[in-house]
Amino acid sequence: AQTVTQSQPEMSVQEAETVTLSCTYDTSESNYYLFWYKQPPSRQMILVIRQEAYKQQNATENRFSVNFQKAAKSFSLKISDSQLGDTAMYFCAGTTSGTYKYIFGTGTRLKVLA
Amino acid sequence: NAGVTQTPKFRILKIGQSMTLQCTQDMNHNYMYWYRQDPGMGLKLIYYSVGAGITDKGEVPNGYNVSRSTTEDFPLRLELAAPSQTSVYFCASTVNTEAFFGQGTRLTVV
Repeated sequence: AQTVTQSQPEMSVQEAETVTLSCTYDTSESNYYLFWYKQPPSRQMILVIRQEAYKQQNATENRFSVNFQKAAKSFSLKISDSQLGDTAMYFCAGTTSGTYKYIFGTGTRLKVLA
Repeated sequence: NAGVTQTPKFRILKIGQSMTLQCTQDMNHNYMYWYRQDPGMGLKLIYYSVGAGITDKGEVPNGYNVSRSTTEDFPLRLELAAPSQTSVYFCASTVNTEAFFGQGTRLTVV
């Protein structure tokens, strides 16, 4: 069985500052994929970043980067230079090859303060 | 290229009524999914399909049915709606592990 745990229900950060959202992922599979999704008030699920478990290099997408610690089962998201538009719910998710069913964490509500 | 399209966007049902949530994708993806999102929670898998004619239960299938007669369409049927089915429903398709989500349907059962 796979589990995804997000232990920070809410966080806030000042505009232009850096914030890190935490996630832990547990699976018995060796080949898996991890994601961070952003859900603004519009409800749309927007892919922020993805990480393949077999890659040692941490993924980066502009202001967003991950710290993937495989042994610790940790997959945190760092947002640099936070912007007001980053205010949203952020979900950590994982999947394995085969049926590609996603398992989601309970989310972290991030508020960027002006 | 519309991606994944869900209809309706909002719906209010009375207890005991039935309805079908429509989902269609134009990306020729074989894998499609239905998730529900309860307030303050992550998405939970209801049903999924790995191709036309093939469906299987997810984590929370009770009270729902699906069919997959074509690659494009994956409707979700609610029979005898109950207040516990009040939720936001997302349809998704995947290719190469990346998921594409519809805009969601907010369903309220009263």
